Amino acid sequence: AQKVTQAQTEISVVEKEDVTLDCVYETRDTTYYLFWYKQPPSGELVFLIRRNSFDEQNEISGRYSWNFQKSTSSFNFTITASQVVDSAVYFCALSEWGNQGGKLIFGQGTELSVKP
Amino acid sequence: DSGVTQTPKHLITATGQRVTLRCSPRSGDLSVYWYQQSLDQGLQFLIQYYNGEERAKGNILERFSAQQFPDLHSELNLSSLELGDSALYFCASSVGGKNSPLHFGNGTRLTVT
Repeated sequence: AQKVTQAQTEISVVEKEDVTLDCVYETRDTTYYLFWYKQPPSGELVFLIRRNSFDEQNEISGRYSWNFQKSTSSFNFTITASQVVDSAVYFCALSEWGNQGGKLIFGQGTELSVKP
Repeated sequence: DSGVTQTPKHLITATGQRVTLRCSPRSGDLSVYWYQQSLDQGLQFLIQYYNGEERAKGNILERFSAQQFPDLHSELNLSSLELGDSALYFCASSVGGKNSPLHFGNGTRLTVT
């Protein structure tokens, strides 16, 4: 069965520290898609990034970067020079699709707290 | 702003009652998804519709039902409510397809007393 594991339930850092959020996935598909979402205290879920299984290039967007390693089934997310506004719950997700439709399977989330 | 609109934002009701949650997808998106978020279960997929047809089903209780209308808005009906149904219910939309990110609404917080 497809599965996403975010082993870190909570992480607390001090502002300006770098922090990495881990995500490990399980899938039988040869082509699959991975996602990261952010849920700030206000509650909405915000899409951050999508990565497909045949593109292992790391991606950087400002202070955010993502490291996709197929060999270890991991898709880790690093925030550089963290800020208080980064405090949120972060979810990693895997696309599971059948012939007609599908869904995203989410990990349990990692709650990041950035203290001033 | 994701472009997905959910109403109402909050709902407080009693056990045994029935409620309807409404969702308008982003313009151009044909797929609608419903998720339930609770502290103990996390984000659980309930059901997916594509252009009016049910396409995928998760662990949706028989007391719950959904539909997508010709104008593509969707409703999630929850009946015979129990205390354990208290949760944040999200609607999401996408253009459809395995590689499409889901864009989530702000959710409806349901409290059953």
